Amino acid sequence: QKEVEQDPGPLSVPEGAIVSLNCTYSNSAFQYFMWYRQYSRKGPELLMYTYSSGNKEDGRFTAQVDKSSKYISLFIRDSQPSDSATYLCAMQDPSYNTDKLIFGTGTRLQVFP
Amino acid sequence: DGGITQSPKYLFRKEGQNVTLSCEQNLNHDAMYWYRQDPGQGLRLIYYSQIVNDFQKGDIAEGYSVSREKKESFPLTVTSAQKNPTAFYLCASRGTLRDTEAFFGQGTRLTVV
Repeated sequence: QKEVEQDPGPLSVPEGAIVSLNCTYSNSAFQYFMWYRQYSRKGPELLMYTYSSGNKEDGRFTAQVDKSSKYISLFIRDSQPSDSATYLCAMQDPSYNTDKLIFGTGTRLQVFP
Repeated sequence: DGGITQSPKYLFRKEGQNVTLSCEQNLNHDAMYWYRQDPGQGLRLIYYSQIVNDFQKGDIAEGYSVSREKKESFPLTVTSAQKNPTAFYLCASRGTLRDTEAFFGQGTRLTVV
């Protein structure tokens, strides 16, 4: 079983739709949770991060963490064609000496006009 | 502008040849990482370095080598021992052990011909 599971998609939605992207994980020690956005043939860029459980909102984006269910989500409201990208979740166990980030496989999102 | 630079963007190699991918950062970050990205597999950690003159194997280090002689540079050599080297390679850096954000370069696409 992978430490982090993420549906690879592709997820195709019309412009203006609400998008829900999700990851599940198995390591209960994970404390930092991140979402990266990666455009085609580019490096990932940090979109949002949360520490422990709860919600965080930034404009059209909302990140949620449910540690009891080991489940994290990224919601995109009023989706735009420019949101079309691959979204990667990432997590960190602060007890690791290695300081490793564990990434999901990424979900490819397509927003059509 | 501060950032992390990978070169070249595209690289072709004949089977049996070693090739070195460049990664340079001017963010004054201590930690640097190399990831490999394949379709459906997400980002897999090859090597990482938390300080100059020190580096550690990641999850898929076989067939790769690195050096960290300078803080700003972390080159990756793909050796002929790597059985399936065609992939997208990403270099990243982070400031400290507890930094949440990893900054990524734009990647190098390596193709073995």
